[in-house]
Amino acid sequence: QKEVEQNSGPLSVPEGAIASLNCTYSDRGSQSFFWYRQYSGKSPELIMSIYSNGDKEDGRFTAQLNKASQYVSLLIRDSQPSDSATYLCAGRPSSYGKLTFGQGTILTVHP
Amino acid sequence: GAGVSQTPSNKVTEKGKYVELRCDPISGHTALYWYRQSLGQGPEFLIYFQGTGAADDSGLPNDRFFAVRPEGSVSTLKIQRTERGDSAVYLCASSLTLGGAWTGELFFGEGSRLTVL
Repeated sequence: QKEVEQNSGPLSVPEGAIASLNCTYSDRGSQSFFWYRQYSGKSPELIMSIYSNGDKEDGRFTAQLNKASQYVSLLIRDSQPSDSATYLCAGRPSSYGKLTFGQGTILTVHP
Repeated sequence: GAGVSQTPSNKVTEKGKYVELRCDPISGHTALYWYRQSLGQGPEFLIYFQGTGAADDSGLPNDRFFAVRPEGSVSTLKIQRTERGDSAVYLCASSLTLGGAWTGELFFGEGSRLTVL
């Protein structure tokens, strides 16, 4: 079992819809989680970080963490074509050290 | 510079050759990471430095891979006797360590694309 798993997609949503991206992790000791966005041919850039159970909102993005279920999600409201990218979920077992990434979910937002 | 700088951006080499990839982290970032990303996959962890020392090298696939960071800033990833399976984008990232400004965020460079023929 991979440490961090994502639905590889691709996920296609119409412009203005809510995109829901999901991630599960196997290491119960993981303390912090991150969502990165990666445009084709570019490097990953951080969208959201979440450390505590519950929801964390930042603009059109909401990250959700459920440590009991070992589940992390990212919701993108009012999706725009510019949101089309690969979304990477990552977990870290402690306050420092390596991030372990999932394989990424390709999101396409069509006009 | 303002961001993480990686050189070369592209490297084409022949099977069996030696390759060095360089990473210049953001000034003041003491933690430095190397990842490898193949097409359609997420970044795969290779090694993590805290200062000059390798704090975790568990991701290095075999003894052909080696990385150094002698002065706690610039790092070099070295690959000996390259194989076609080494072809990938090698990403370097840096971050602050625990402290008032720490967020846990990794800042990535644009990567070095290695092609082994």
